[in-house]
Amino acid sequence: SQQGEEDPQALSIQEGENATMNCSYKTSINNLQWYRQNSGRGLVHLILIRSNEREKHSGRLRVTLDTSKKSSSLLITASRAADTASYFCATAGGSNYKLTFGKGTLLTVNP
Amino acid sequence: DTAVSQTPKYLVTQMGNDKSIKCEQNLGHDTMYWYKQDSKKFLKIMFSYNNKELIINETVPNRFSPKSPDKAHLNLHINSLELGDSAVYFCASSQWAGGRSGANVLTFGAGSRLTVL
Repeated sequence: SQQGEEDPQALSIQEGENATMNCSYKTSINNLQWYRQNSGRGLVHLILIRSNEREKHSGRLRVTLDTSKKSSSLLITASRAADTASYFCATAGGSNYKLTFGKGTLLTVNP
Repeated sequence: DTAVSQTPKYLVTQMGNDKSIKCEQNLGHDTMYWYKQDSKKFLKIMFSYNNKELIINETVPNRFSPKSPDKAHLNLHINSLELGDSAVYFCASSQWAGGRSGANVLTFGAGSRLTVL
């Protein structure tokens, strides 16, 4: 299985601090995506990084990908209370239709 | 206007019953999915349809039967419900971006929480 595994499982920070979440996976991928899930809601796509990319930015989000280590990180800068959510990485490998999700990191941003 | 809508949002039923969850997307996407999220938040793909054709069928008990009457709808019927079926079921859709380096970004519904008593 190429299931992603996020680390840490839970992270609690103060508003204004940066939050870093990591994702490791097992097999080769075509791309890796990060999604956010607010409590009781569906997942929302945040950012996608392709296997030939090393870093990508979107607003306060920065994603890195190291295919040699089979790992990715998501950095949220200047966090806000509204960033409180679970964050999942998802990998697409042999079948681009089959996104495999990790177990998620629960981020709590305290005001 | 909700892009991916699922009904019902909550479903409480007895063991052994049969129930259905409906999903509709108005994004014009070709591909739809069912995912199951358990109590530990682990999200696992169950089925995927592309233009009404089944393309992903994971190891799911045959009590679960998806049906796609058209590419905007994907329903999930569950027979003989068991306690272990209790979970949140998410419908999602996507449109293939094309090409070898294309990517598939999913748009999720809000989820249907199924509780089997």
